[in-house]
Amino acid sequence: DAKTTQPTSMDCAEGRAANLPCNHSTISGNEYVYWYRQIHSQGPQYIIHGLKNNETNEMASLIITEDRKSSTLILPHATLRDTAVYYCIVRVAYDFNKFYFGSGTKLNVKP
Amino acid sequence: EAQVTQNPRYLITVTGKKLTVTCSQNMNHEYMSWYRQDPGLGLRQIYYSMNVEVTDKGDVPEGYKVSRKEKRNFPLILESPSPNQTSLYFCASRRVGTDTQYFGPGTRLTVL
Repeated sequence: DAKTTQPTSMDCAEGRAANLPCNHSTISGNEYVYWYRQIHSQGPQYIIHGLKNNETNEMASLIITEDRKSSTLILPHATLRDTAVYYCIVRVAYDFNKFYFGSGTKLNVKP
Repeated sequence: EAQVTQNPRYLITVTGKKLTVTCSQNMNHEYMSWYRQDPGLGLRQIYYSMNVEVTDKGDVPEGYKVSRKEKRNFPLILESPSPNQTSLYFCASRRVGTDTQYFGPGTRLTVL
């Protein structure tokens, strides 16, 4: 199973773009990259996912490198409410039902 | 409102006293799952269920049981709780064929 590596924490100024990196160098060709976030011990919240193309929705953008070994979640205009732990997850290809959460990145959005 | 509910939200108990944490979803989702969250370890999957009467182990199933007699409910059972099961527990559900999991608010369990 592909593992992910994320920085432990990051700071971002309110109103600026937050760029959260994730390394998944052992990802295989049919594994997806997912991003969830968790605000202060609440239940995790889905943000976005992708396979190899860049994706965008109303919450964020996901940029996946051409070799798929890393990705970046972009929050275009971070607000104080975006302060949370962000999890980068790679879905196990042969078992759709298992999601492996790592330790995540604590994003601190500062005024 | 579409949601996943858990009860209780907080529980303090003693070693060996059987307990059940309930989970219910009103979205008619086939898939349900339980996770525990511990400092420095992220979320780890305990059990999951593809549909009624179909359950399977996740990464850390030891000491837990589950049942799925109804589609909307997926209780987590600790037959003989131990202090190492002190944790924050989350239930989640998902419609099969989609990728988005919906999580409950969490249950903070302390076993003394």
